[in-house]
Amino acid sequence: AQTVTQSQPEMSVQEAETVTLSCTYDTSESDYYLFWYKQPPSRQMILVIRQEAYKQQNATENRFSVNFQKAAKSFSLKISDSQLGDAAMYFCAYRSWNGNKLVFGAGTILRVKS
Amino acid sequence: EAQVTQNPRYLITVTGKKLTVTCSQNMNHEYMSWYRQDPGLGLRQIYYSMNVEVTDKGDVPEGYKVSRKEKRNFPLILESPSPNQTSLYFCASSWLPSQEDTQYFGPGTRLTVL
Repeated sequence: AQTVTQSQPEMSVQEAETVTLSCTYDTSESDYYLFWYKQPPSRQMILVIRQEAYKQQNATENRFSVNFQKAAKSFSLKISDSQLGDAAMYFCAYRSWNGNKLVFGAGTILRVKS
Repeated sequence: EAQVTQNPRYLITVTGKKLTVTCSQNMNHEYMSWYRQDPGLGLRQIYYSMNVEVTDKGDVPEGYKVSRKEKRNFPLILESPSPNQTSLYFCASSWLPSQEDTQYFGPGTRLTVL
């Protein structure tokens, strides 16, 4: 079974600075998807970014980018120019290529200081 | 607007009193699932459904039931709730097969069992 580990329960960043959230996963599959979800205080699950394992290029979405290291099974999220609205719980998630079930990490609380 | 709705959003109940949390989607998705979110554990899948009348257990199905009589609805039933089912619950839906790789989440239901 696949597992996802987020080793940082909480992180803090100064407004306008850059922060990196860590995620590692374990799988024996070669094709899969990886995701970062944001959960603000409203509790809504918001998809931030996704990465297909067969793509070597790291995904980017505006201020959000990932560092995907397939051999190391690592999938970190970098947030540049942090904003107060980035404060939230962030979940890393895994999904098999031909499946629908998401396997989540425990989450990282991100606090943004003004 | 494409959306997944859940009702109620908040519920406080007592041990043993049967309850149902409804989930409905308007995107004609085949796949629907329920997750529970607990501190330090992330989200874990309870049950899922690949289509009408097709349901199966996820990772934490004990104490829950589901039904899929219509494509758009996927209610979660707790026949005899216990305090360890106090949690935040999410319904999600997506297409099958999973090449369209976005899952749509409902707004969440905060359940407290006293």
